[in-house]
This record gives sequence, structure tokens and C-alpha cells, in this order.
Amino acid sequence: GENVEQHPSTLSVQEGDSAVIKCTYSDSASNYFPWYKQELGKGPQLIIDIRSNVGEKKDQRIAVTLNKTAKHFSLHITETQPEDSAVYFCAASIPNTGNQFYFGTGTSLTVIP
Amino acid sequence: NAGVTQTPKFRVLKTGQSMTLLCAQDMNHEYMYWYRQDPGMGLRLIHYSVGEGTTAKGEVPDGYNVSRLKKQNFLLGLESAAPSQTSVYFCASTRTGYEQYFGPGTRLTVT
Repeated sequence: GENVEQHPSTLSVQEGDSAVIKCTYSDSASNYFPWYKQELGKGPQLIIDIRSNVGEKKDQRIAVTLNKTAKHFSLHITETQPEDSAVYFCAASIPNTGNQFYFGTGTSLTVIP
Repeated sequence: NAGVTQTPKFRVLKTGQSMTLLCAQDMNHEYMYWYRQDPGMGLRLIHYSVGEGTTAKGEVPDGYNVSRLKKQNFLLGLESAAPSQTSVYFCASTRTGYEQYFGPGTRLTVT
């Protein structure tokens, strides 16, 4: 099956700085790469996603980049705010398998005011 | 829309007891999933369904069973609970197999 690795496991940044979280995947058949934000006591919430036919996608302060050759994708958050503090998960999905999702182990992001 | 709801929110079981977790979605989604979340391990897929009447095994299916008799509901059963099944369980659904919507979770403790 697919193996998704995520780094770092914890990340602290000053408010206003940028944060970058990186993930790698093992199965070249994966074609969909979502990022989720999970706040304490809640379920994960999709914040941005990218499909394998696109190299970069941006939505206001967040962006995701994908390098299919190297099998890695990254989440970039600019101008961080305290409300960005949460756990972030990356995932990879393989088509024609019921679109099974394989998740990274999460990054706990703390934005220091 | 209520989105994805899960029942119950919390539960404590003794080893060997059985229970059923209910997931319901009102978005007419085809795909539904059950995950467990353990500290430091992310979310791991237990079982999933690609439509009413279908189910399939995920990464960690042992000790669990599922049923999807109605499109809007996906049930997760534990026949004989074990302490290793102490976890937070999340249900998710998606219309196309891409954008997943998650429920609020069920925190299960097995003593």
C-alpha cells in the first residue's frame, strides 16, 4: 500500500512568519493530495488539495506544491496568525481502489503571538 | 445540512463487550469511510464503502465489521472490544471520492 511520511512533527513560528510542512509518498499511482486542519476536539477539515496534473495551487494565504517526479508535496502558510495553530495532516489517494486515503502522521503547528 | 454526524460522542466499554458506531450524512455522498486516530499515527482507514450495499477493507480492518444498508448511513461494529481498540473514531464521506467531509469523532475507551 501507499506510505505517506510527514515532517516536521511539531513546528513553532512567530506570528506573521511563514510555515512549511512537507510530505512524501511512495506509490506513483497516487493522484490526489489533500491537506487537512484539525483543531482540538474536532474532526479534520479540508483546507486545500491538489491533483497530480497540477504543480501548484494557492488559496489566499495557503498554497500547496506538488513534485510528482520526486513524489513529494508541501503546504505553505504565509502571514501566519494565532488561529492557524492546529494539527495539519497531509494525505494521498490512489484511484480505482475506492479512493483509499493514506494519511501522514500530522504536524502540530503553533503560531506564537 | 447537518453534514456528517456520529453517534455516540463518547463511550466506555469493558473488554469483550460489543457496540455499534453510527455515521450519518445528509449530502447524498456515495463514498463513506471509517478511520481510527491514535496519537502519533495519523488517521488509519478501517473500512470503506463506495456505495449503498458495498463495503471493503482498509488498512486496519481486524476486529471491526461494517454495514451500509442505506446510502446515508455507515455503521461500524466492534463484536468483542479489546483495549487496543481504544481510540478516536472518525467517519468521513465524499461525493466523488475526492473532497472528504469528516464527522466530529467518537472517543472510545476499552477497559
